[in-house]
Amino acid sequence: LAKTTQPISMDSYEGQEVNITCSHNNIATNDYITWYQQFPSQGPRFIIQGYKTKVTNEVASLFIPADRKSSTLSLPRVSLSDTAVYYCLVARGKALNFGKGTSLLVTP
Amino acid sequence: GAGVSQSPRYKVAKRGQDVALRCDPISGHVSLFWYQQALGQGPEFLTYFQNEAQLDKSGLPSDRFFAERPEGSVSTLKIQRTQQEDSAVYLCASSVSGERDEQFFGPGTRLTVL
Repeated sequence: LAKTTQPISMDSYEGQEVNITCSHNNIATNDYITWYQQFPSQGPRFIIQGYKTKVTNEVASLFIPADRKSSTLSLPRVSLSDTAVYYCLVARGKALNFGKGTSLLVTP
Repeated sequence: GAGVSQSPRYKVAKRGQDVALRCDPISGHVSLFWYQQALGQGPEFLTYFQNEAQLDKSGLPSDRFFAERPEGSVSTLKIQRTQQEDSAVYLCASSVSGERDEQFFGPGTRLTVL
């Protein structure tokens, strides 16, 4: 499985754009990049998934450069309720490998 | 519609006791997963079912851990002779069937072994 590296923690103010970058140098051709969000005392929740270039949904955008060795999750105009742990996963097959994630703290 | 539910939400066991954790997946979801999440860590894969077949149990930490899904719906994770290191949150997830399908997680069962 491709190993992912992402910052342990990040801080932001409300209303700012937050970009969380994940590196996955040994990503394989068949691997997709998936991001999950987890609030305290809840199970993880799927945010977005992509293979290359850019993917956007109602929650976030995912930017993947041509070499696919990294990806950036972009959260526009964060609110206090976006405080959570964000996991970058390189998914091959069904078992998900979460790692430690990035703990995002949003303050007023 | 109903999401993935797990019961009990909290379980306290004395060391050496057996415990059984239940997962009710989203109706119609073919795939079911169990994960273990230690405090401050990300979830770690335990086992995976497709319908009633257990296709991958490579993440089960020891032979004290056993999972079943006899009718392809509800699943039970059983831990025999619990140890303190088994204390964690046990998460269940289900997905429609495909390899890239989004996994929907339940709230988890927090197991504390004294």
